[in-house]
Amino acid sequence: GAVVSQHPSWVICKSGTSVKIECRSLDFQATTMFWYRQFPKQSLMLMATSNEGSKATYEQGVEKDKFLINHASLTLSTLTVTSAHPEDSSFYICSARTGGIGGYTFGSGTRLTVV
Amino acid sequence: GQQVMQIPQYQHVQEGEDFTTYCNSSTTLSNIQWYKQRPGGHPVFLIQLVKSGEVKKQKRLTFQFGEAKKNSSLHITATQTTDVGTYFCGHYGGSQGNLIFGKGTKLSVKP
Repeated sequence: GAVVSQHPSWVICKSGTSVKIECRSLDFQATTMFWYRQFPKQSLMLMATSNEGSKATYEQGVEKDKFLINHASLTLSTLTVTSAHPEDSSFYICSARTGGIGGYTFGSGTRLTVV
Repeated sequence: GQQVMQIPQYQHVQEGEDFTTYCNSSTTLSNIQWYKQRPGGHPVFLIQLVKSGEVKKQKRLTFQFGEAKKNSSLHITATQTTDVGTYFCGHYGGSQGNLIFGKGTKLSVKP
């Protein structure tokens, strides 16, 4: 089945530094990648939608200058958390729609801890 | 997109007991999807329902979509410890073509 590979799985960084998270669709082309954020014991909240070759669409309240999204190819989308702060600590997950009745395929998630 | 309400938020059962989680919308949904997220893991697609009154089964799991397409349920018969996790319903209705999730039901199973 369709696979979305997400790296890194977890990362610890210092306040003020930037962290890049990558999501690759391994056996299909993902023209659209969705980036979610999940706080402990909560549901997934859409942060932004990236489309290959165009600017990402951010949800209300999400700082686009802080969460930089790039979707340079049909198989790669990246999320960069810039100038990270402890409140950015969360679980970030990417997802792509695989079409048909296969639903959406999620990456394995990245647990970010900012210290 | 239309939000979906999911209940209960938590459910603790003894192994072997049944479990049901419900997803409700105030408006008609074109589809409903169910996902399972194990502790520390990511959501994994279980099933999609699109037809009014549709019922689908996957071993001990039974999924239903209401006649009015405003509610759905996931029922697990004779729970096992491997069923532990959070079950999310969602529907394809976001403005960006994204899934809109319910808040999830966290299932814990006592052996």
